[in-house]
Amino acid sequence: KAGVTQTPRYLIKTRGQQVTLSCSPISGHRSVSWYQQTPGQGLQFLFEYFSETQRNKGNFPGRFSGRQFSNSRSEMNVSTLELGDSALYLCASRAGQGANEQFFGPGTRLTVL
Amino acid sequence: GQNIDQPTEMTATEGAIVQINCTYQTSGFNGLFWYQQHAGEAPTFLSYNVLDGLEEKGRFSSFLSRSKGYSYLLLKELQMKDSASYLCAVRDSNYQLIWGAGTKLIIKP
Repeated sequence: KAGVTQTPRYLIKTRGQQVTLSCSPISGHRSVSWYQQTPGQGLQFLFEYFSETQRNKGNFPGRFSGRQFSNSRSEMNVSTLELGDSALYLCASRAGQGANEQFFGPGTRLTVL
Repeated sequence: GQNIDQPTEMTATEGAIVQINCTYQTSGFNGLFWYQQHAGEAPTFLSYNVLDGLEEKGRFSSFLSRSKGYSYLLLKELQMKDSASYLCAVRDSNYQLIWGAGTKLIIKP
């Protein structure tokens, strides 16, 4: 079974631009969560989608948004990029909302110049 | 606010035992997780505790005390490949995962 895939793996943008990141969960998994990881800060929860509906949202500004498609693939969008948005963005999937184990993708390394 | 505390870095010797502690203060509790993350890689699931006590899985064990807001991950017979960051996370009353900053474990020969 293929794992969680994320594209692109690396991205360089400039302040003010916007970016869209993509995540394909493990086949059959309907829950997708997004996290931001920065050195020393740990993982910060962005949002979780289940069956195309946002089920949970972290404390990030409205510039961060996401969506999930009917095939469970998910996208995350960040508008008006700031230098502080430079981070590793991780996507994780699980079989359902009751499942405990999350499977993480390799992440997208975003650098904002 | 919600808080997960774990040591920033620990060093241990190959073949030895190491205990990584995690204390938490969260809005509600619906389970505690440990993940391992090698440098440049994605986190991988190690363990899940929701009831008090010790859960053993091979060389790794995880302990939980809900009354103390405390957990530890115990790694036995350390191997060089265990060099990684270990992340503690708590699922709160909103079923949201709150993560610690991670403990970087360095294994020396």
